[in-house]
Amino acid sequence: EAGVAQSPRYKIIEKRQSVAFWCNPISGHATLYWYQQILGQGPKLLIQFQNNGVVDDSQLPKDRFSAERLKGVDSTLKIQPAKLEDSAVYLCASSLEGGAGTDTQYFGPGTRLTVL
Amino acid sequence: AQKITQTQPGMFVQEKEAVTLDCTYDTSDPSYGLFWYKQPSSGEMIFLIYQGSYDQQNATEGRYSLNFQKARKSANLVISASQLGDSAMYFCAMRTSGAGSYQLTFGKGTKLSVIP
Repeated sequence: EAGVAQSPRYKIIEKRQSVAFWCNPISGHATLYWYQQILGQGPKLLIQFQNNGVVDDSQLPKDRFSAERLKGVDSTLKIQPAKLEDSAVYLCASSLEGGAGTDTQYFGPGTRLTVL
Repeated sequence: AQKITQTQPGMFVQEKEAVTLDCTYDTSDPSYGLFWYKQPSSGEMIFLIYQGSYDQQNATEGRYSLNFQKARKSANLVISASQLGDSAMYFCAMRTSGAGSYQLTFGKGTKLSVIP
């Protein structure tokens, strides 16, 4: 079974530029998550989708970050414009159901973003 | 508020020895789940083990076991017979419910180094 796919793996941009990340979850997984992991910290949830609807985006900086999950499968996360503090690893995860009980989140390899 | 504390920034263990990684948590939610993930230098978060708050027995998965002490709010990971490939960051996470979603809150992680 294929895991969670993410691209690109690495991205370097200058501040005020735009960037987009792509994620393809495990086949059949209804729920998709985007996390931000700043160096030296644990991941922090940015947004959670169930199928193609947003379940939780309370920690997404909506003035510059946006995400969509068209057709309830793959997803894109965009930053526009980027700031220096957005330098981090962006992790995508998916789970079979809504994340309750023993429903486990499986993570992709992440995209390492550096903002200069 | 939900909180996960991992007090050991770094740990060393001799190959083939056992090691315990500490995790304490704080939540007022009576139903929660505790997870441990491994993050090698490649960046992907790998699921290791899960413990539910109502589970009577400590979880085990191969060389991994979770020492769950509910009254102390601790969920320590025990790795038996350490291998060189166990060198990585280890994150404890707690799943709680809120606003119709199930969110993972991560600790800051412990860097484990296995010495040959």
